[in-house]
Amino acid sequence: DAGVIQSPRHEVTEMGQEVTLRCKPISGHNSLFWYRQTMMRGLELLIYFNNNVPIDDSGMPEDRFSAKMPNASFSTLKIQPSEPRDSAVYFCASTLGQGDEETQYFGPGTRLLVL
Amino acid sequence: SQKIEQNSEALNIQEGKTATLTCNYTNYSPAYLQWYRQDPGRGPVFLLLIRENEKEKRKERLKVTFDTTLKQSLFHITASQPADSATYLCALGDFGNEKLTFGTGTRLTIIP
Repeated sequence: DAGVIQSPRHEVTEMGQEVTLRCKPISGHNSLFWYRQTMMRGLELLIYFNNNVPIDDSGMPEDRFSAKMPNASFSTLKIQPSEPRDSAVYFCASTLGQGDEETQYFGPGTRLLVL
Repeated sequence: SQKIEQNSEALNIQEGKTATLTCNYTNYSPAYLQWYRQDPGRGPVFLLLIRENEKEKRKERLKVTFDTTLKQSLFHITASQPADSATYLCALGDFGNEKLTFGTGTRLTIIP
């Protein structure tokens, strides 16, 4: 299996621009998680889906952030408009989604820099 | 609010010694705790899980303890090797909930 796939791996954009991050979970996994990692705040959960339905979006910072999961094999995280404080590494992770205690499998991350 | 602290941002250990990393939490009663390893430029990778009713778990050179009275987990790497150098993250979870809350991590360096 190829593991969790994220694209792009690096993104540099200017303040005010729209940014779209993409994630393909491991085939057969039913839960998908979006995280943001910074030096100051560590790894923070933004939102997670189960069977393509958003379950908990309490970590989404503000209305500028939105996430979708149109099907079991694809999810997007969109920032519009982007701001310099959004600069971070964004990770996507997936699990089988069958209950507690499951191992989360992380993608390689997207390093975002907003100038 | 929930708070998770991992001991010192960085820890340097001589090769061959035992490295001990600490994860302390407050305002939280997790049902289980996981430890992950993260290498530079990569996503975290799962290492071990320990439940609230388990005192200790082992996997090869790794050992994890979980003390719900002290609200603390200890992560040990015995006979440490330079290849063990990485950032280690603890993550806490609850029953009936897939969410994990991560600590900020400890960057471990094993010195040859």
